[in-house]
Amino acid sequence: ETGVTQSPTHLIKTRGQQVTLRCSSQSGHNTVSWYQQALGQGPQFIFQYYREEENGRGNFPPRFSGLQFPNYSSELNVNALELDDSALYLCASSPVQGAMTGELFFGEGSRLTVL
Amino acid sequence: GDSVTQMEGPVTLSEEAFLTINCTYTATGYPSLFWYVQYPGEGLQLLLKATKADDKGSNKGFEATYRKETTSFHLEKGSVQVSDSAVYFCALHTGNQFYFGTGTSLTVIP
Repeated sequence: ETGVTQSPTHLIKTRGQQVTLRCSSQSGHNTVSWYQQALGQGPQFIFQYYREEENGRGNFPPRFSGLQFPNYSSELNVNALELDDSALYLCASSPVQGAMTGELFFGEGSRLTVL
Repeated sequence: GDSVTQMEGPVTLSEEAFLTINCTYTATGYPSLFWYVQYPGEGLQLLLKATKADDKGSNKGFEATYRKETTSFHLEKGSVQVSDSAVYFCALHTGNQFYFGTGTSLTVIP
């Protein structure tokens, strides 16, 4: 059984650029959520996707957007990057029942540095 | 708003010592509560959960009881091992929202 995989693992961007992060969910999982983890902090919920629709969103501006594809993989897009966007971005998948109870399966993350 | 507050770290213990990591929460509804763990070089993984008041979650010798009266979900282990060295996150889930604490780093020395 393949777990949650994320790409790229590391990337460097400059302020104002745009970035796309990708996530493949664990086999059989149809719900994907994204988190931002700043250094020394806990993960902050960005949004969740189920059946290709966003069905939950944290306190992040609209320049953070996402997609979920029919195979349940997902993308996180961040426009107009700011220095404070530098963080580890985590993807988590779950079967729908797990999403309802908060049981998440995390990838190892994509570390974004904004210069 | 809803939130989780957990004990600041880092925590350093000798092997076989007793562990407590405090976690309190604020929630308007009836949340589910979790402890997630992040071992060095690995992704976050679920350690244990409790979905309603008075439930006790347990796994790998760790326990936590959902206390509605004190809005707490403290993590305990009677005898820690070197392999328990990791960062522990308390988390709350309500509706479609997830909230994590800031994490507590635990180092167990032989």
